Order: sequence, then C-alpha cells, then structure tokens
Amino acid sequence: DAGVIQSPRHEVTEMGQEVTLRCKPISGHDYLFWYRQTMMRGLELLIYFNNNVPIDDSGMPEDRFSAKMPNASFSTLKIQPSEPRDSAVYFCASRTGLAGVSYNEQFFGPGTRLTVL
Amino acid sequence: SQQGEEDPQALSIQEGENATMNCSYKTSINNLQWYRQNSGRGLVHLILIRSNEREKHSGRLRVTLDTSKKSSSLLITASRAADTASYFCATDFNTDKLIFGTGTRLQVFP
Repeated sequence: DAGVIQSPRHEVTEMGQEVTLRCKPISGHDYLFWYRQTMMRGLELLIYFNNNVPIDDSGMPEDRFSAKMPNASFSTLKIQPSEPRDSAVYFCASRTGLAGVSYNEQFFGPGTRLTVL
Repeated sequence: SQQGEEDPQALSIQEGENATMNCSYKTSINNLQWYRQNSGRGLVHLILIRSNEREKHSGRLRVTLDTSKKSSSLLITASRAADTASYFCATDFNTDKLIFGTGTRLQVFP
C-alpha cells in the first residue's frame, strides 16, 4: 500500500480564498483523522471520522472549516474563507481497530503545508 | 489543550550516546504511544505501552510508564544521526482520539 496520500503537498493562497485539502486513507482503515500542526499550538486534532461518519468535530476552530468523507477512500478539509492564521501543516491520518479503542497506531500522511498571505 | 507535556523541549547529543525524553500527562490513560517526526514529514508510530505495563522494549527503544506520577520516558540507546527528529507522546482514555504532547526535538551529531 502507498500509505496515506495527501494533496497538495504545498498550497499558497491569498486571504479570503477557498482552500481544499485532500486525503486518501490506507485501504481498509475505518478511521480518518485531520490534524493541524503549528509551532505555537503543536499538533491539534480537528475532526475524525469512523466509517465515513464524522464523530467528533470539536477541534474545528470555526465555521470557516468544514470536512467531508463521501466514501471510504477520500476525505476533504475545506477552509472558506482562508485567513493568515490558518497557515499551518495539515495532516491526515488513518487507522483500523475497534470503536472506542485507540490502541491501534495511526498512520500519518506527509502533510499539506498551507500558507495564507 | 494538550494533554502531554514533554521535556526537554530540545536535546543535542553525540552519536553513540543515549537520549532520554520525558512525557507528563494530566488525566488517566488507557495507553500511551510514542511517535517520531522527521523534518517535513508525517508522524511515524514507534511503540505503545498500556496502562498496566511498566516497561517495554523495541530494538534500541525503551519506554517506561509510571501511572502514579502520570509520566513516561523514552530512551533511545546508542543513538545515530538518523535518530535526529522530533518525538511525541500521545495518550488516550476511553476514546478514539489521541492527544499529542508538545514534542522533544532531538539532534544527534555525527
């Protein structure tokens, strides 16, 4: 398997523009997680899905952020409108395992480095 | 807010030396995991220790867990330049979510 795939790897956009980040999890994994990493706040969980259903979006910073998982092999994280403070590295991760148990390791994608000017 | 706090924030050692990183957390846990992140890459899982375990080994890695002190340590023995990376602890408690620590940046000089 190719691992978790994210695109684009780098995105530079201007404030106010819409940004869409994409993720393809490892085939057969039931869970998908979106994280944001910054120097100031470290690694933050934004939202996660189980069997394509959003379970917990309490980490989504505000209504400008939305995430979808239309099928088991694809998820998007959208920011509209984008702001300079959204600049960060966004990671997607996936794992398999039983609901309510997180001892299975998470597999991370390479990340998308977003810069909002 | 992050559950895990790691120290030191940064560590520089010579190849062949041992590196020890510590993680403290605030609430009860089921499991604690350690991850490595090379510069510009995603995190990679290293090792998991359950709350009823006190020590675990994997190759040159040794992890200890003290639930009474709510702390864990990661020891890398005989370090190599390729071990240069950031190391994160991550905890969970009756949830699918992992809460990651602040990380330790390790620099191993050849």
